[in-house]
Amino acid sequence: DQQVKQNSPSLSVQEGRISILNCDYTNSMFDYFLWYKKYPAEGPTFLISISSIKDKNEDGRFTVFLNKSAKHLSLHIVPSQPGDSAVYFCAARGTSGTYKYIFGTGTRLKVLA
Amino acid sequence: NAGVTQTPKFQVLKTGQSMTLQCAQDMNHEYMSWYRQDPGMGLRLIHYSVGAGITDQGEVPNGYNVSRSTTEDFPLRLLSAAPSQTSVYFCASSYSTASEQFFGPGTRLTVL
Repeated sequence: DQQVKQNSPSLSVQEGRISILNCDYTNSMFDYFLWYKKYPAEGPTFLISISSIKDKNEDGRFTVFLNKSAKHLSLHIVPSQPGDSAVYFCAARGTSGTYKYIFGTGTRLKVLA
Repeated sequence: NAGVTQTPKFQVLKTGQSMTLQCAQDMNHEYMSWYRQDPGMGLRLIHYSVGAGITDQGEVPNGYNVSRSTTEDFPLRLLSAAPSQTSVYFCASSYSTASEQFFGPGTRLTVL
């Protein structure tokens, strides 16, 4: 059973517009969420995180929103740039204080110039 | 800092062979983990360690062994390779349980 789901395998967005990537989870005990970006033939790199005590976190062009009642988080990229084209993974920490992270299946973002 | 390094980058094995994937980090991180990435499956946790001498199982531990004799190194052993273990393997480390993980570049393993 997939506890962290990214239901959109791919997304195309025009350069300069907003990219919205979505992630749903099933376990209400998850308390820490992260987004990673992955280019081909490289390891994932960290983008942004959010604790379950917050509902929003911003870092430059990247904003993550958390809706705990809906068990949903989203990553907004504004404005989108061609260099943002990559696969994006969301991840959730299994339970507080553990080191077990559950990753989603990823969304491939393509930003069109 | 080299960050997280993994060797080899590519490996082809025959069914039944054993091998060790190496992972090292120079950031003095206590926490390390191994993931495998398969098409449509995302990253799945194989084993993890919260410090030297301490390891635990993740989601998909069968067929793999780990040990953590030093803070820096966290090797992953395939005991008897099977075609189902064909995958890309990533090692990661982090400072704490609630901080970003730094990933290595990955090892692409094919088992024939």
